Amino acid sequence: QSALTQPASVSGSPGQSITISCTGTSSDVGGYNYVSWYQQHPGKAPKLIIYDVINRPSGVSNRFSGSKSGNTASLTISGLQAEDEADYYCSSYTGSNTVAFGGGTKVTVL
Amino acid sequence: QVQLQESGPGLVKPSETLSLTCTVSGGSVNSGSYYWSWIRQPPGKGLEWIGYIQYSGSTNYNPSLKSRVTISVDTSRNQFSLKVNSVTAADTAVYYCATNKYTYYYYYLDVRGKGTTVTVSS
Repeated sequence: QSALTQPASVSGSPGQSITISCTGTSSDVGGYNYVSWYQQHPGKAPKLIIYDVINRPSGVSNRFSGSKSGNTASLTISGLQAEDEADYYCSSYTGSNTVAFGGGTKVTVL
Repeated sequence: QVQLQESGPGLVKPSETLSLTCTVSGGSVNSGSYYWSWIRQPPGKGLEWIGYIQYSGSTNYNPSLKSRVTISVDTSRNQFSLKVNSVTAADTAVYYCATNKYTYYYYYLDVRGKGTTVTVSS
């Protein structure tokens, strides 16, 4: 069982916006602004796309945005494209000085 | 740019020790800017953070694995390694080595290795 809770799947049509939630506790997501998101295509390594809740690494599309409210963080993908079909994982620094991951969300572009 | 390459046996017997090595190129394991990390992903499942080591030898492990895991660094070979003792089928996974995307922030991973599959089976 993963430390952070994500929906198993989310889907949307091209051009639409979708949001993936990531729920933790006050000891991880809610207690620190050290939430990140990773994108993983099949057979590939995960790639960091959001860090510090809201920031995008250089080169990551601005169609990806992050936010947080209380113990729940969210990733929004705007203008959904076929290439966005992948698994997405949230992650958080924890009060135990470790890293927690969510169970992952499969995004399907209809 | 730092490149990482995992290597090691693809098949390990139950109760034995899993040993993997990550070779670093384009950078030095002696750099104080980096945390050298391992994560894993069981088949069809999510990511799990295993831990990291710094050039100084300082380590930090996932509490759920701490009793069975050792991460070490070999500066002469510019490598870092992972050992997991007393493995079971639950340790079957793709193992990735990684570094930190940003200085000082070990929890933002830059997974530059392609991953190596380890199966635990007799």
